[in-house]
Amino acid sequence: DAKTTQPPSMDCAEGRAANLPCNHSTISGNEYVYWYRQIHSQGPQYIIHGLKNNETNEMASLIITEDRKSSTLILPHATLRDTAVYYCIVRVASGANNLFFGTGTRLTVIP
Amino acid sequence: ETGVTQTPRHLVMGMTNKKSLKCEQHLGHNAMYWYKQSAKKPLELMFVYNFKEQTENNSVPSRFSPECPNSSHLFLHLHTLQPEDSALYLCASSQDLGLEQFFGPGTRLTVL
Repeated sequence: DAKTTQPPSMDCAEGRAANLPCNHSTISGNEYVYWYRQIHSQGPQYIIHGLKNNETNEMASLIITEDRKSSTLILPHATLRDTAVYYCIVRVASGANNLFFGTGTRLTVIP
Repeated sequence: ETGVTQTPRHLVMGMTNKKSLKCEQHLGHNAMYWYKQSAKKPLELMFVYNFKEQTENNSVPSRFSPECPNSSHLFLHLHTLQPEDSALYLCASSQDLGLEQFFGPGTRLTVL
């Protein structure tokens, strides 16, 4: 699976959009971009994933660049409960079973 | 209960004890996983089961012994652990291998 690079930490004001970047310059054509987050002392939580097109669900939006070498997770209106470590993971879909979480980005939402 | 549950949530054990961690998923998934999360380290995949069959053992020491009696239940049997085995042990499940995984809350294990 391709390696990802994320900033170690970010701050965001409550109510503002949080934009979390991820670089995955070695991504292969059949690899998806997944995002998970882990709130302190809890298990990781799936957020969203995508292949080429931008994706949106009730939690977040995922913007993938045209060359697929980077992506951005957007939390449109960050709340204090969004404070967590966010992991960007690149992997193939069916047949693979491993998620390499790396060290992620620690997002702190500030009141 | 819904989702993925784990018991106990906290466990303290001595190095000579034998204990078991339990995971149950109520999602109808076919694949289940054990992960280990040590302080300030990334999650480490330990074991993978698909349709009750073990598909991956990620070079885990034999003092950790998994058991998957059916697709809904997963156990991790522990014996003669070391203090460095203290960590958060997470269980996850997915509909099939390769799809998004749903995690339980974890068991915080302390080995004295």
